[in-house]
Amino acid sequence: EPEVTQTPSHQVTQMGQEVILRCVPISNHLYFYWYRQILGQKVEFLVSFYNNEISEKSEIFDDQFSVERPDGSNFTLKIRSTKLEDSAMYFCASSLPGQGTNTGELFFGEGSRLTVL
Amino acid sequence: GENVEQHPSTLSVQEGDSAVIKCTYSDSASNYFPWYKQELGKRPQLIIDIRSNVGEKKDQRIAVTLNKTAKHFSLHITETQPEDSAVYFCAALETSYDKVIFGPGTSLSVIP
Repeated sequence: EPEVTQTPSHQVTQMGQEVILRCVPISNHLYFYWYRQILGQKVEFLVSFYNNEISEKSEIFDDQFSVERPDGSNFTLKIRSTKLEDSAMYFCASSLPGQGTNTGELFFGEGSRLTVL
Repeated sequence: GENVEQHPSTLSVQEGDSAVIKCTYSDSASNYFPWYKQELGKRPQLIIDIRSNVGEKKDQRIAVTLNKTAKHFSLHITETQPEDSAVYFCAALETSYDKVIFGPGTSLSVIP
């Protein structure tokens, strides 16, 4: 069964450094997402991406964050100048299109745990 | 924007009993309501979903009901088993917007 894959599974970085989290969505999916989950808390929407551009973003997704689909398969989240509070699990997800819109059925990767020291 | 509330935050049941988790949403335009199960250290996994054109959906021991007028939806798990222990998240989407918003989660413990 096709899966969303994410790398790295765990990254430790110093405060102020830049990190790039990578995702390979399921191949026939067209909608891509990043979510964040601070330990023990809710799954928070960061950004959605469709047709090579951001379609929605949350208040969390400020200028510190950016997303990119540099080729036909990878979808990346870049976090510039990391802060302690950026420590969290970051989940990538993808979904299929429905009848002209998004089906909403998210398939999640296993997550990338980011630890900022 | 959409806001999803979820109750209770923790739920403990005896094995074999039923569990009910309730959610409310704020955006009347939302039309897709999934439920996710997240085991400790794992990714959220879709267990059941319902779209706004139906009021109830069942899959074996799991059922979901939707009341669009009241903007409520609920997850019902019957004959609970220890492996049902996990955190359950409800969520809502208005499919014209690419933004699935999650509730805060319910930690379900099934006691053998």
